[in-house]
Amino acid sequence: GAGVSQSPSNKVTEKGKDVELRCDPISGHTALYWYRQSLGQGLEFLIYFQGNSAPDKSGLPSDRFSAERTGGSVSTLTIQRTQQEDSAVYLCASSSLNRGSGETQYFGPGTRLLVL
Amino acid sequence: AQRVTQPEKLLSVFKGAPVELKCNYSYSGSPELFWYVQYSRQRLQLLLRHISRESIKGFTADLNKGETSFHLKKPFAQEEDSAMYYCALRGGGQNFVFGPGTRLSVLP
Repeated sequence: GAGVSQSPSNKVTEKGKDVELRCDPISGHTALYWYRQSLGQGLEFLIYFQGNSAPDKSGLPSDRFSAERTGGSVSTLTIQRTQQEDSAVYLCASSSLNRGSGETQYFGPGTRLLVL
Repeated sequence: AQRVTQPEKLLSVFKGAPVELKCNYSYSGSPELFWYVQYSRQRLQLLLRHISRESIKGFTADLNKGETSFHLKKPFAQEEDSAMYYCALRGGGQNFVFGPGTRLSVLP
């Protein structure tokens, strides 16, 4: 079946503009994660959604970052008033807890954001 | 605080040689440890997790709580093993903490 998809694949924007990044998780997956991967850095956790529970926003770097997940499926990560340091690859992952094998995250291809 | 370190940014070995990718973590409780791999032009994917105690593609990793390490090992490296490898930890919460990654290059 289809894996995690993300759009757009690439986004170039000007400093100060707002951007929206979209993630379509695997159907039926209750958990959804957003990460940021800056050049030469590891993955930085941003936010986590699990079912109808309140999201874990502990990784969001500033109040310019927000995310929502509508209907327990599609998620949108919004960055307001973008800054050059926001340039990175934004990765989305979804997972479903399997009692036999535990939780496996499935990653999307990422959105490469460049802020000029 | 949860933290994962991978001391080597780049590791080069010859085909057929043993390989060990180092991972150390800091966490006060009982962590879950994972290795993720990203091959060229492919998505990040799970390689193995410590609770499964499995061998995937010839790779194994043992959790050493005394040394707070979770090193990834393979006795005979293959060229197709060349990739970016990330060690990750999940502590008491649900979020994952990833290390900076090690790029493995297996030379012919």
